[in-house]
Amino acid sequence: EPEVTQTPSHQVTQMGQEVILRCVPISNHLYFYWYRQILGQKVEFLVSFYNNEISEKSEIFDDQFSVERPDGSNFTLKIRSTKLEDSAMYFCASSPGQGGSPLHFGNGTRLTVT
Amino acid sequence: GESVGLHLPTLSVQEGDNSIINCAYSNSASDYFIWYKQESGKGPQFIIDIRSNMDKRQGQRVTVLLNKTVKHLSLQIAATQPGDSAVYFCAEKGALGNEKLTFGTGTRLTIIP
Repeated sequence: EPEVTQTPSHQVTQMGQEVILRCVPISNHLYFYWYRQILGQKVEFLVSFYNNEISEKSEIFDDQFSVERPDGSNFTLKIRSTKLEDSAMYFCASSPGQGGSPLHFGNGTRLTVT
Repeated sequence: GESVGLHLPTLSVQEGDNSIINCAYSNSASDYFIWYKQESGKGPQFIIDIRSNMDKRQGQRVTVLLNKTVKHLSLQIAATQPGDSAVYFCAEKGALGNEKLTFGTGTRLTIIP
């Protein structure tokens, strides 16, 4: 069964450094998402992406965050200058379409900012 | 504002028994609901979904019930197995093509052997 894959599984970085989290969505999906989950908390929406542009973003997704689909398969999340509070699990998801389509999630990247 | 919440943070069930996990939502315009299972170290895994024009949907050992009158969603797992131990999240998508999925806080289900 096709799945969303994310790399790396764990990323440790120093405060102020830039990180890029990578995702390969399911190949025929059209909508792409990033979510994050701080330890022990619920999964929070960051951004959705469709047709090569951001379709919606949350308050969390400030100017330090950006997303890109550099080619036909990868979908990346960049954090320009990491803060301690950016430490979380970051999940990529994709779905085939709007409305009644479930999101399929990857297994996440654990980001630790020291 | 819109929110999706759960009644119980933890639930322990004897193996083989049935379990029910509940969820309340506040956005009456919600059109689509999903239950996800999250095991330790993994991403949310799709279990079952339901559209707002339905009140019940069944899968393999799982049933989702939707009561739009009281804005309540439940997940029933029949004949629970040790592999059902996980955190379960309900999630909701708004209507009008809103793609954002809003998650509840999660219920940790523990199956007692």
